[in-house]
Amino acid sequence: GAGVSQSPSNKVTEKGKDVELRCDPISGHTALYWYRQSLGQGLEFLIYFQGNSAPDKSGLPSDRFSAERTGGSVSTLTIQRTQQEDSAVYLCASSPKSASYEQYFGPGTRLTVT
Amino acid sequence: TQLLEQSPQFLSIQEGENLTVYCNSSSVFSSLQWYRQEPGEGPVLLVTVVTGGEVKKLKRLTFQFGDARKDSSLHITAAQPGDTGLYLCAGALITQGGSEKLVFGKGTKLTVNP
Repeated sequence: GAGVSQSPSNKVTEKGKDVELRCDPISGHTALYWYRQSLGQGLEFLIYFQGNSAPDKSGLPSDRFSAERTGGSVSTLTIQRTQQEDSAVYLCASSPKSASYEQYFGPGTRLTVT
Repeated sequence: TQLLEQSPQFLSIQEGENLTVYCNSSSVFSSLQWYRQEPGEGPVLLVTVVTGGEVKKLKRLTFQFGDARKDSSLHITAAQPGDTGLYLCAGALITQGGSEKLVFGKGTKLTVNP
């Protein structure tokens, strides 16, 4: 079966513009995660969706960041009024259960804010 | 403050050498995972350790979970160029809300020279 897919693979945007990043998780996976990875850094947790529960938004760095997951499947991460410090690789992962189970990662979206 | 400290951050060795990567924390984890990430791709799970003191072997890779479940190590025997990549440890924490969340270390970038 297909793995986690993300689009676009690369996004270059001007400072101040809004961007939307998409994640298609593995079918049937109830948990979906967004992470941010800056150059030379580990993964920074952003947000976590688990089934129909309220998402854990504790990792979102500012109110310019938001995410939604429609129908328990596809997720969109939106960054409003982008800043240069938002430049990073944004990774999405899905899991059949909770965090302690294997997370399957997509290839990421490389965002560059000029 | 980094919850999970990985060391060393960078490691460059010759083919055939042995190496150990460390992952340390003051927090207790319900489980700990090791991932390997190659450029342009998302991390891929290598192993999950759950029990304090647990040792798991995956061919030339040996993973150990500390007795107190606060630290872990990854040992590679007779490293090969194909082992080159970013190695990430990730600990599963139970949040105040009762859900689980993975926290990642910054990673160890390993280069094995032929």
